[in-house]
Amino acid sequence: NAGVMQNPRHLVRRRGQEARLRCSPMKGHSHVYWYRQLPEEGLKFMVYLQKENIIDESGMPKERFSAEFPKEGPSILRIQQVVRGDSAAYFCASSQQGRDQPQHFGDGTRLSIL
Amino acid sequence: QKEVEQDPGPLSVPEGAIVSLNCTYSNSAFQYFMWYRQYSRKGPELLMYTYSSGNKEDGRFTAQVDKSSKYISLFIRDSQPSDSATYLCAMNRNDYKLSFGAGTTVTVRA
Repeated sequence: NAGVMQNPRHLVRRRGQEARLRCSPMKGHSHVYWYRQLPEEGLKFMVYLQKENIIDESGMPKERFSAEFPKEGPSILRIQQVVRGDSAAYFCASSQQGRDQPQHFGDGTRLSIL
Repeated sequence: QKEVEQDPGPLSVPEGAIVSLNCTYSNSAFQYFMWYRQYSRKGPELLMYTYSSGNKEDGRFTAQVDKSSKYISLFIRDSQPSDSATYLCAMNRNDYKLSFGAGTTVTVRA
């Protein structure tokens, strides 16, 4: 499968635990983006990364959320001390180099907080 | 006011009908315009991608952009039950961040 791969597809955490969401971009794509989709709302941009660099994290909550895209391995979105309001679908997208390149999405991770 | 407003739906049409989906936007800096299709419990799938005013056709799908009116549309001809999904419009400036509409859910009745 050459598409954007996200895992796990479903993640259940209790309040106060940590959630780690993984994303492997499409082959040949060097840019990764994370979006969050809340019920009845559209997708909201969170962060844009290239290998070993955070380019734009203007959509990321200032506390508890972090993202990385290491030289080797998938991009990770990390949420510390999760709260009920973090329950959402988190989507990763990737693109090739270039501002005019379209973004292709994975099937998301659905995070549920008990 | 939201940056991108999408007709909320839901929309229910008989098989074979033309589906018309619309979005308006407020920021004239948007340059690239997309339509994504999202099936239940799946990720958005890119359908159409345009960057200029006018029409772009791909099979049964036609995307229309009117930058002067800040208005984009997607038309689906000869709709099929497999077209039943939520359709998302999206757009961005020259900065990678996509701004999405809230989505329109379409049901095509066999």
